[in-house]
Amino acid sequence: SQKIEQNSEALNIQEGKTATLTCNYTNYSPAYLQWYRQDPGRGPVFLLLIRENEKEKRKERLKVTFDTTLKQSLFHITASQPADSATYLCALGSDYKLSFGAGTTVTVRA
Amino acid sequence: NAGVTQTPKFQVLKTGQSMTLQCAQDMNHEYMSWYRQDPGMGLRLIHYSVGAGITDQGEVPNGYNVSRSTTEDFPLRLLSAAPSQTSVYFCASSYRGADEKLFFGSGTQLSVL
Repeated sequence: SQKIEQNSEALNIQEGKTATLTCNYTNYSPAYLQWYRQDPGRGPVFLLLIRENEKEKRKERLKVTFDTTLKQSLFHITASQPADSATYLCALGSDYKLSFGAGTTVTVRA
Repeated sequence: NAGVTQTPKFQVLKTGQSMTLQCAQDMNHEYMSWYRQDPGMGLRLIHYSVGAGITDQGEVPNGYNVSRSTTEDFPLRLLSAAPSQTSVYFCASSYRGADEKLFFGSGTQLSVL
């Protein structure tokens, strides 16, 4: 069965540094991949979408890469700020179904 | 625009009771979906709909029913609640499908005793 794995441990980084999150998958050939942010007690909020024929996408301080050969996506937050502290979810999809990883919790300390 | 509205925010049920979780969106989205989120696990897709009158099963559909009589509403029914259905439930919608930005509701926290 398909499996989606994100960084198993929480990520603690200092303000101003770059946070890099990993999303690996197996037994799956997704047509697209999305990243969401989730704050405690809230629903996920969309950040970025990248399709299988795209290598990289950027949005402000966020960058996502998608390597279908390695079956891996990397999500970068540059110049991190305490307000970036949250749980980040990767989601892989094909057709009308989107499957989520368990998420990585990022804490940015001032 | 209110976006995606879920009610109730909290619910406690006894085993065997039935209830309906409500989800409504005012963005004229064709695609709507239900997920459950459990600690340490990713969001898991329960059911989804690509338009009024069309629904399909997701990854974990057992114990849940859905219907889509209007574009705006996509209720999730628990026919006979079980403790294993204790979870946080999220409704999400998008204009056309899962290959677009999904808008999520604020969730319903359900406890089944």
